[in-house]
Amino acid sequence: ETGVTQSPTHLIKTRGQQVTLRCSSQSGHNTVSWYQQALGQGPQFIFQYYREEENGRGNFPPRFSGLQFPNYSSELNVNALELDDSALYLCASSPQGAYEQYFGPGTRLTVT
Amino acid sequence: GQQLNQSPQSMFIQEGEDVSMNCTSSSIFNTWLWYKQDPGEGPVLLIALYKAGELTSNGRLTAQFGITRKDSFLNISASIPSDVGIYFCAGQFTGRRALTFGSGTRLQVQP
Repeated sequence: ETGVTQSPTHLIKTRGQQVTLRCSSQSGHNTVSWYQQALGQGPQFIFQYYREEENGRGNFPPRFSGLQFPNYSSELNVNALELDDSALYLCASSPQGAYEQYFGPGTRLTVT
Repeated sequence: GQQLNQSPQSMFIQEGEDVSMNCTSSSIFNTWLWYKQDPGEGPVLLIALYKAGELTSNGRLTAQFGITRKDSFLNISASIPSDVGIYFCAGQFTGRRALTFGSGTRLQVQP
C-alpha cells in the first residue's frame, strides 16, 4: 500500500511569485488536508478537501487556495508569496469517516 | 485561536528510562492523536484516542484521553535510541476534521 506522497521535495521561490504543491493521497483515502509547519512549531491547518470541495479552512488568507481531483489527489496553490510563507507544507489523507490523518513527507518551501 | 500546551518542551534521557509527556487545552476535544516527527519527515501517527478516560497502548507506547477531555498524556517505556524525535499531540473537535497541534516535545535518548 502506497502512503501519502508529495512533490516537489524542496522548492525555492522569490517573494511575489506563485507556487503549486502536489499531493497524492494514500490508497483508499478520499479526504485530503493541508498544513503549514514553520520551523520549531507544530503544523497549522490550512484547509481540507473532500469530494473535490473545500471542507473547512483555517486562518489563512485567500491567496492560499487548493484543488482536489477525481482521483483524490490535491494541489495547494499560494499566490503573491511572502517571506513568512517559508515553511514545510504537509499533506495528510484520511479514509472516509475516519478521524486519523496520515501525513506525507512534506514540501520544504523557501521564499527569498 | 485554539491552543494546546504541550510539556515538557524537551527531554534528555538515558536509554532504558521511561518517558512521560502531556498536553492540556482550554477546549474540549473529541479526539486526541499523538504523532512522532523525525527531521525532514512528516509526522507519523502513533496512537489515536476517541473516548474520555480511554487508555491505549501501541508496543512500548501508552496514551490516555483525560476524563475532562481537555488533556492527554503519552508514556514511552524502556526508551531506545530510535525513540529520538519530536512528539506532537493533536486534538480534534466533533464534526471538524482540522487537527490542532501542540508545539511538540523534543526527545533525545543517550545510548
